[in-house]
Amino acid sequence: LAKTTQPISMDSYEGQEVNITCSHNNIATNDYITWYQQFPSQGPRFIIQGYKTKVTNEVASLFIPADRKSSTLSLPRVSLSDTAVYYCLVGRGSGGYNKLIFGAGTRLAVHP
Amino acid sequence: EAGVTQFPSHSVIEKGQTVTLRCDPISGHDNLYWYRRVMGKEIKFLLHFVKESKQDESGMPNNRFLAERTGGTYSTLKVQPAELEDSGVYFCASSRGTGGSYEQYFGPGTRLTVT
Repeated sequence: LAKTTQPISMDSYEGQEVNITCSHNNIATNDYITWYQQFPSQGPRFIIQGYKTKVTNEVASLFIPADRKSSTLSLPRVSLSDTAVYYCLVGRGSGGYNKLIFGAGTRLAVHP
Repeated sequence: EAGVTQFPSHSVIEKGQTVTLRCDPISGHDNLYWYRRVMGKEIKFLLHFVKESKQDESGMPNNRFLAERTGGTYSTLKVQPAELEDSGVYFCASSRGTGGSYEQYFGPGTRLTVT
């Protein structure tokens, strides 16, 4: 499974757009890129998943360049409730078995 | 639909005692996973069930840990005897699990404290 590198922490203010970039230089051809969010005292929550180009849902956008060696999670107009740890995961789906490998994540603090 | 539930939410036991954690996955989810985070460390995979069968238990730390999923519904994770280093938060997750989807639904976790 590909190793990921992301900033340990980030700070932002309410209403701003936040971009968290993750590096995964040794991503394999069949690997997907997935982001999870975790609030204190809760389990991680799936945000978004992509393979290439851009994916958007009601929560976030995921930008993946052509070489797929990095990805950027974009959170539009953050609020205080977006304060959480964000995990970038890279791995291969195979026969429905998808073990998640978590790194340290990025601790996002949103300030008033 | 109801989410993944875990019981208890918090357990405090003494070293050498036994503790059993329970996880109820989302109805219809064949895949059930256990993860844990020990103090200051990253979330680590423990094992994976597909229905009642263990698909992968490569993350189980040692034979003091026993996971079961009788009937393919809820799962239990027993720690016997508990050691100090077993303290941490134990998460359960479930998924339908098809192809390239990495979407798993996590429970709130059980915080285990071994004193």
